[in-house]
Amino acid sequence: QLQLQESGPGLVKPSETLSLTCPVSGGSISSRGYYWGWIRQPPGKGLEWIGSIYYSGSTYYNPSLKSRVTISLDTSKNQFSLKLTSVTAADTAVYFCARHLGGGYGRPMDVWGQGTTVTVSS
Amino acid sequence: QTVVTQEPSFSVSPGGTVTLTCGLNSGSVSTTYYPSWYQQTPGQAPRTLIYNTNTRSSGVPDRFSGSILGNKAALTITAAQADDESDYYCVLYMSSGISVFGGGTKLTVL
Repeated sequence: QLQLQESGPGLVKPSETLSLTCPVSGGSISSRGYYWGWIRQPPGKGLEWIGSIYYSGSTYYNPSLKSRVTISLDTSKNQFSLKLTSVTAADTAVYFCARHLGGGYGRPMDVWGQGTTVTVSS
Repeated sequence: QTVVTQEPSFSVSPGGTVTLTCGLNSGSVSTTYYPSWYQQTPGQAPRTLIYNTNTRSSGVPDRFSGSILGNKAALTITAAQADDESDYYCVLYMSSGISVFGGGTKLTVL
């Protein structure tokens, strides 16, 4: 059974870089046909798609975050990562990692991590 | 800017049927946007219900169904139960490879 679990600091200072990883167990991130992505949810608000990466390394980002976001794969550790630069209080949120289905279905998210809370504060 | 619209809130009686919708500020929603639907209860990760307009995710009961109604995507819940009380989000897939969430609908069962 595929499992994802977000990991990283719960507190980041303004203007610094938020870094999270998502180790994957029960499956390989190198498998064809899957994308690996990040979604966030500010306190009391809705979900926001951040971006995704294909097993080949192709990346897709939310245009509103594109200038600050990098998603990458680490096949040696079977995990993928999120980096968000120049954070502000508006980046405070629960961050979820998720697998996205490929194969022409519109890349829906089908397996989710439990989420991790990141607070931006000095 | 692409904006995906959902009803902010909806209510349904236990045993009743409710249809939530998902629209697009710039036009009509069709199957080419591959609408998907997610259920989220407070403090929990979202659960995938429907993808590719009307394909139920594994383990999702057939009380949940997806469709296109007019110019919107729709999620219909029949025989509503108390534990259906949740937030429901739709996602539309853009040809550029990005996904856009709607603002979510808070469903109350009472």
